[in-house]
Amino acid sequence: QVQLQESGPRLGKPSGTLSLTCGVSGGSISSNNWWTWIRQPPGRGLEWIGEIHHSGNTNNNPSLTSRVTISVDKSKNQFSLKLTSVTAADTAVYYCARSQLNSASGSGSYMDVWGKGTTVTVSS
Amino acid sequence: EIVMTQSPGTVSVSPGERATLSCRASQSVSSNLAWYQQKPGQAPRLLIYDASTRATGIPARFSGSGSGTEFTLTISSLQSEDFAIYYCQQYNNWPPAKTFGQGTKLEIK
Repeated sequence: QVQLQESGPRLGKPSGTLSLTCGVSGGSISSNNWWTWIRQPPGRGLEWIGEIHHSGNTNNNPSLTSRVTISVDKSKNQFSLKLTSVTAADTAVYYCARSQLNSASGSGSYMDVWGKGTTVTVSS
Repeated sequence: EIVMTQSPGTVSVSPGERATLSCRASQSVSSNLAWYQQKPGQAPRLLIYDASTRATGIPARFSGSGSGTEFTLTISSLQSEDFAIYYCQQYNNWPPAKTFGQGTKLEIK
């Protein structure tokens, strides 16, 4: 079955860039799914960051879109998140997930497979 | 942005009893709604999608209902492992941005 694993630095500096990668195993990133990033600040709820299809099409959270880049590397079967100009408010557990295709809209829908999450702290 | 509002924030229920959790959307999302369960230190787990379809391996005591703007997750005969935080999430056709509710904590009474 498909498994996802987040990786990347656990600590970032204010005004810097947060970069995370999600490795996909047990399946192909070129399947007809979308691949999603979600985050959860300490003690708070879930926030959808954005999603990407293997075609390169993306959808982002409007509140983060100016700082977010999501990309896919089909050769490595992985996708990545870059978040620029980070502050302490970006401290969170970051999850990657697989989203099923919404056949009506062509974008992603619900997330049926999740990685375990990685904690990223932004601090000087 | 479609805003999802869950109620109550916390609900206390005894094992063996029924729990009813609510989720409201700020505009119609048709049946494009999912429910997740999250336990401390774990990633969320998909329970229900398309408002009422149980995900693979989810026990029959979990059921979802509703459409449009009002949705309900019902857990009949609560088991000890059901005490967790529950989130709803919309995936309406437009706009493509997904949003979660703020969560309902289900605790043991």
